[in-house]
Amino acid sequence: NAGVTQTPKFQVLKTGQSMTLQCAQDMNHEYMSWYRQDPGMGLRLIHYSVGAGITDQGEVPNGYNVSRSTTEDFPLRLLSAAPSQTSVYFCASSQTMGVISPLHFGNGTRLTVT
Amino acid sequence: DAKTTQPNSMESNEEEPVHLPCNHSTISGTDYIHWYRQLPSQGPEYVIHGLTSNVNNRMASLAIAEDRKSSTLILHRATLRDAAVYYCIGGGGGSRLTFGEGTQLTVNP
Repeated sequence: NAGVTQTPKFQVLKTGQSMTLQCAQDMNHEYMSWYRQDPGMGLRLIHYSVGAGITDQGEVPNGYNVSRSTTEDFPLRLLSAAPSQTSVYFCASSQTMGVISPLHFGNGTRLTVT
Repeated sequence: DAKTTQPNSMESNEEEPVHLPCNHSTISGTDYIHWYRQLPSQGPEYVIHGLTSNVNNRMASLAIAEDRKSSTLILHRATLRDAAVYYCIGGGGGSRLTFGEGTQLTVNP
C-alpha cells in the first residue's frame, strides 16, 4: 500500500517554464488537495478536489491549475513558473470531505525556480 | 478554521511526558481540534482529533478544556523520533485545514 505518491521529489525550473507535479493515491480517497510550504512557515492550501471532475480553489490558487479526471490522480500544473513559486509542495488525500477523516500526505516535491 | 495559538518551540527529555498546549478561544461549537505533526523532510502526519471529550490513541492523548478554548496534546513517553513540528488546527471537516506555524518539539537524549 503506497499511500500518496508524489513525483518528482526535486525539480529546478527557469522562470517562465511550465511543468506538472504529479500526485497519485491508491486508497480510493474522494478528497485530494495541494499545499505549498515556504521555509519556516505552515502549509497553505492551493487547490482541492472533492471527487473526479470537481475542483475548487484554496487560499493561494494563482499561477496553478489542477484537474481531476480519475479518483487516483490529481496533478498540479505551474503555467509559467516564477521565483515566488519556489517552495515545497505537498499533496494530500482523505476518504471524504464531509466527515472527519484524517489527511494523508505525500513526502513532497521541492521546487526551485531560478 | 478557528485561529489557534501555539508556542513556537518546546523541549523535552527522552522518555518523559510532553504536554503541548494550544489555545483556540474563537473555536465554534462544531469545530473539531486536529493535531498533526511533521517530521523533517516529510509531509505532515495525522496524530489525533477530538470535539469535546478527551481522546486517546496509540500515538497520543488529547485533553480538551471544558470550555473548549484550549487543548493539550500529550505524548506519554517522548522518544527521539517524536522530534517534529506539531500543528494544532481548529476546523470542521477534516480536509480543508489551515496549518499555522506549529510548535517545534526538540527531544533531548
